[in-house]
Amino acid sequence: EVQLEQSEAEVINPGESLRISCQTSGYSFTDYWIGWVRQVPGEAPEWMGNIYPGDSHVRYSPSFQGQVTISADKSINTAYLQWTSLKTSDTAMYYCARLVSLAGFDFWGRGTLVTVSS
Amino acid sequence: DIQMTQSPSTLSASVGDTVFITCRASQSVTSWLAWYQQKLGKAPKVLTHMAPDLESGDLSRFSGSGSGTEFTLTISSVQPDDVATYYCQEFNGYSFGQGTKLEI
Repeated sequence: EVQLEQSEAEVINPGESLRISCQTSGYSFTDYWIGWVRQVPGEAPEWMGNIYPGDSHVRYSPSFQGQVTISADKSINTAYLQWTSLKTSDTAMYYCARLVSLAGFDFWGRGTLVTVSS
Repeated sequence: DIQMTQSPSTLSASVGDTVFITCRASQSVTSWLAWYQQKLGKAPKVLTHMAPDLESGDLSRFSGSGSGTEFTLTISSVQPDDVATYYCQEFNGYSFGQGTKLEI
């Protein structure tokens, strides 16, 4: 069974750094792209970027390029999303999802709620 | 960036109706598009896609059509469990539409 297990919710002060994780199981981690999607409550999802764990190739959305870093550790089947300096506007739910060619994101994590507040 | 525009923003239907949601792209995305259903407090769930050999399971009431810049999601025999927000997504730049909220 394919599963994507995301790290717990975080409450962070503005300016702090953060890394959230997405641990996968039930399929070959290195054979599929993993994507990260941001969703502010009440708004549409926004694609942030994808990583191919097989070679760590990353493609970022222009809107998020330089704002976040996406990485993966294939030894533990885990993808990461990190920030060096969070802003209050980064408050949102963040999802990881597996990308299947021509089929979209077929399996999703439950999401990690990141709240940036002083 | 490719912009995806959905209509309507809100859709009110009765049980058993067939409803249509449209997604228009600002430029051609050929056939690379998927539709998602998102229920309150849950992650999106893929409904339709262009992969011909992927099983749809209990999603047979949901069908997608179109190419180029105009696409349609058809939901047949609407059920109370279909209450959700529906999004389209293209796969050139992975942009999502702004969503269509279905009410019963």
